[in-house]
Amino acid sequence: DTGVSQNPRHKITKRGQNVTFRCDPISEHNRLYWYRQTLGQGPEFLTYFQNEAQLEKSRLLSDRFSAERPKGSFSTLEIQRTEQGDSAMYLCASSKLPVGSYNEQFFGPGTRLTVL
Amino acid sequence: KQEVTQIPAALSVPEGENLVLNCSFTDSAIYNLQWFRQDPGKGLTSLLLIQSSQREQTSGRLNASLDKSSGRSTLYIAASQPGDSATYLCAVRRDYKLSFGAGTTVTVRA
Repeated sequence: DTGVSQNPRHKITKRGQNVTFRCDPISEHNRLYWYRQTLGQGPEFLTYFQNEAQLEKSRLLSDRFSAERPKGSFSTLEIQRTEQGDSAMYLCASSKLPVGSYNEQFFGPGTRLTVL
Repeated sequence: KQEVTQIPAALSVPEGENLVLNCSFTDSAIYNLQWFRQDPGKGLTSLLLIQSSQREQTSGRLNASLDKSSGRSTLYIAASQPGDSATYLCAVRRDYKLSFGAGTTVTVRA
């Protein structure tokens, strides 16, 4: 297994366009997370899935954002009507179900979005 | 809301010196704490995970300590090398999500 993969690695778009990112988690991992990181800051939680169920969405995730994880495998994050403030690195992570309190998250390489 | 602070924001040391990176958090009711490394423009690489019941964790030249009651963790990197230059992030977990600090950017001078 090669770890968490994300595509595309870079995306440049014009304001108002829609974009979609894909994340493929580590194969046996039930949980999948999306985070957003802006320059000079740590990642901030956006949403997470357990299998195909989306269990929480951060208030950072406006109505223009939607995430799916059909069949509990890969996930997509779509941003509609992009704004310049959406420019950031979008990181995906996955983990197994916790064993007790042990729950290590493994991150992908990220998708860097630039909105012109 | 959990607040995670990392001091200093940046650090520059000569090769061979030991590194000490600090992380503090406001809510001590955590399940675990992870230290990550991030190279410029890249994703996060997990370095160490310390369970809330543990006091420290070691991997090679890396050692991380956790004092949950005071809300502090320290990452020690022994005998630093230029390849250790990166941003180091700590993150605490309560429930399912991680709360991150802004990171410490380390430069090791050859």
